[in-house]
Amino acid sequence: AQTVTQSQPEMSVQEAETVTLSCTYDTSESNYYLFWYKQPPSRQMILVIRQEAYKQQNATENRFSVNFQKAAKSFSLKISDSQLGDTAMYFCAFMKHNTGANSKLTFGKGITLSVRP
Amino acid sequence: KAGVTQTPRYLIKTRGQQVTLSCSPISGHRSVSWYQQTPGQGLQFLFEYFSETQRNKGNFPGRFSGRQFSNSRSEMNVSTLELGDSALYLCASSLGSAGSREQYFGPGTRLTVT
Repeated sequence: AQTVTQSQPEMSVQEAETVTLSCTYDTSESNYYLFWYKQPPSRQMILVIRQEAYKQQNATENRFSVNFQKAAKSFSLKISDSQLGDTAMYFCAFMKHNTGANSKLTFGKGITLSVRP
Repeated sequence: KAGVTQTPRYLIKTRGQQVTLSCSPISGHRSVSWYQQTPGQGLQFLFEYFSETQRNKGNFPGRFSGRQFSNSRSEMNVSTLELGDSALYLCASSLGSAGSREQYFGPGTRLTVT
């Protein structure tokens, strides 16, 4: 079974600064996907970024980038130039890659990020 | 393209009753997954449906069930409600194919059991 751990329950960052959210996971799978989801106070869960485990290159999406360390089973999210709209709960999630193509996500407990004006 | 929709958005039920929640996926998406979100347990996977077949199930009692229709819309049912079933129920849709794993979530249904 897979587990995802987000050890920091809360973080705070000043607007325009950079913040890094940590995530570690445990799996015996060699091929899988990792995701970061954002859940603002309105509750709609939004996909922020995804990483395929077989890819060496770290994924980036505008101000969001990841640091994927497969050997260390670490998957951190860096948010650059933080904005007030980034205030939300952030979830790290794992999905196995399999030919059966089922889509179960295993989530971490989440981290609450507050961006201060 | 319209996003994932869930109805109703809020529900209040009494212990022992049953409830049905509905989810309409993004047009063209064939996979629908359901998750339960609570402050204590976080986000937990309930089940996934693809082309009207359940192809994955989480560790929930048999009181939790679901189905998917030919138009990919999905319903989940909880029978004999317990206080602990109070939660936000999230539905997520995806294409469901091996090459496309992103799941897109609906706004959720907030269920309160009294």
